[in-house]
Parts: sequence; C-alpha cells; structure tokens
Amino acid sequence: GEDVEQSLFLSVREGDSSVINCTYTDSSSTYLYWYKQEPGAGLQLLTYIFSNMDMKQDQRLTVLLNKKDKHLSLRIADTQTGDSAIYFCAGWGNQGGKLIFGQGTELSVKP
Amino acid sequence: DSGVTQTPKHLITATGQRVTLRCSPRSGDLSVYWYQQSLDQGLQFLIQYYNGEERAKGNILERFSAQQFPDLHSELNLSSLELGDSALYFCASSVTQGAAEAFFGQGTRLTVV
Repeated sequence: GEDVEQSLFLSVREGDSSVINCTYTDSSSTYLYWYKQEPGAGLQLLTYIFSNMDMKQDQRLTVLLNKKDKHLSLRIADTQTGDSAIYFCAGWGNQGGKLIFGQGTELSVKP
Repeated sequence: DSGVTQTPKHLITATGQRVTLRCSPRSGDLSVYWYQQSLDQGLQFLIQYYNGEERAKGNILERFSAQQFPDLHSELNLSSLELGDSALYFCASSVTQGAAEAFFGQGTRLTVV
C-alpha cells in the first residue's frame, strides 16, 4: 500500500543547513509536499514540487526529488531557532483521494 | 492564516458522549479532508468529501461519521467516545482533489476524560 517514511529526529546548530529526508512508495503522486507543524499549531504548507521536476528552490528552502529512488528531501539553509518544528512530507495516495503523510521529522535547532 | 476554520479549538468531554467538530473550507475549495493526529498513530486520514459527496475513506471508525453540506462546510461526528479518541483533529481543504495544494485548519483538540 501507500507509505511515506521519514527519520524521526534531526538536530542542527543555528546557521547550519538542515536536510530532512523522505521516501515514498506510491509513484503516482503528481505533487509532493512539505508541511511544517509548530508546537500546538496546525499544519502549514511550506512548499511542494511537481513530480516531473528534480528541484525547486524557494528562498531558504530547496526541495530535491529523485523519482527513480522515490526520495524527497527538504534543505533549509541558514537554519534558525524559529525553524524548530515537526516537518511532514506528503503525497497524494492512489486516485488522489487522500494525502498520505510521513511520521514527521522533529527538527531541533540549537543556538 | 490558511483560510480553513475549525471550531471549537478545544473540547473536553466524557467517555460515551458524542461531539461534533466543524470545518469551514477556504473560499472556493470544494474538497474537504479530515485527519486525526495522535502521538502513537501520527497523522491518519479519516475521510474526504468533494462537493458534498464522500470520495475516499481511510481509517475511520464506525462510531465516527462526517458530512459535507451544500455550503461546503463539513462536520465530523464522533460518538460513544473512548479515551483513545483523544487527539487533534484536522480539517483540510483543496480546490479539487489530488494534485492540489491542501490547506489545513488549526485543528480541534479533543480530550476524552
């Protein structure tokens, strides 16, 4: 069935780059997404990439997509303490009926 | 602000009770999705509606039901509540279904005591 997997934790120092990785099984997703969830808050859509693209850059965020390996990554440049949150990758499941999420990666940014 | 409104923000109720969670999608969005987020299960898809019709069903219990009204708002009904139903319930909306940006509300935190 559809599955999206992420590592659970990542800790970086302020100013470093963070790379959050995700693998997925369903290759039919037309778009793949990254969401951010701050403590006690909802899910904020950060960015997304169309499945026929390899890379998308949006200010400090860079999304890389390797369709062959079904691997998606989110790079955050110059990571700040305000970037501390849980990051979810997601893709549409079969027939587009549901957005499937990974377990989320908790990013901790230390000063 | 995503434009998706969920009410109430917090709800505390006793086991065995029934509650209704409400979601107003972004203006123009026809599709509504409900998700449950708990510590042990992560983000679980419950159900999706598109323009008033049920389109996809996930891990939704039989004690739970939902509907989408002609004005496109949606309600999630949870009955015979159990302690394990305590979770954050999110609603999301998108213009269409699949291959579209889905925007999430702030969630309703349900605590069953």
